[in-house]
Amino acid sequence: GIQVEQSPPDLILQEGANSTLRCNFSDSVNNLQWFHQNPWGQLINLFYIPSGTKQNGRLSATTVATERYSLLYISSSQTTDSGVYFCAVGGSGNTGKLIFGQGTTLQVKP
Amino acid sequence: DAGVIQSPRHEVTEMGQEVTLRCKPISGHDYLFWYRQTMMRGLELLIYFNNNVPIDDSGMPEDRFSAKMPNASFSTLKIQPSEPRDSAVYFCASSPFQGAGEKLFFGSGTQLSVL
Repeated sequence: GIQVEQSPPDLILQEGANSTLRCNFSDSVNNLQWFHQNPWGQLINLFYIPSGTKQNGRLSATTVATERYSLLYISSSQTTDSGVYFCAVGGSGNTGKLIFGQGTTLQVKP
Repeated sequence: DAGVIQSPRHEVTEMGQEVTLRCKPISGHDYLFWYRQTMMRGLELLIYFNNNVPIDDSGMPEDRFSAKMPNASFSTLKIQPSEPRDSAVYFCASSPFQGAGEKLFFGSGTQLSVL
């Protein structure tokens, strides 16, 4: 099956700093989503982005499907951005199955 | 919309007991998923349904686990008998139509502890 690798595993930032999280995947995908799991355990969907670029406020994401990677950009980080960021992918032929990476744990210090 | 609703939020039980987790998906969503999260294995897909029909249960760890979706607004995940290694957070998620690339929405999860 598809392998999903996220980097870095851990990241510590000062409030106001920018960061880039990366997701590599081993095969072509027709579905890629980014999630944020907050410190209370809630999983929030950030982006559906199997290709191209999207922006939502201070967050943006880019997926280069031909090179099998996706990037999540966080600008002007805030303490509320802390938590775990997951990339999840679904391969061609699978209409619903999303495989999650191991996540990047982000801590934003005030 | 109230989002995906799971119950209970926390469940503590003793080894050998039956555990039933419940989920109400977002109204109108065609797909329902059950995931399990542990420190060791991360987020694993257990089973998913399309229009109340189980499509892929290859992630269900063993016969002790079973899932049903009797109607479009309700699903259960049952563990019988439960074991300490089943301790985890179990998430239910729903999506309107994965083929069109719709987003996946998660419930708040059930924290299961088997003693």
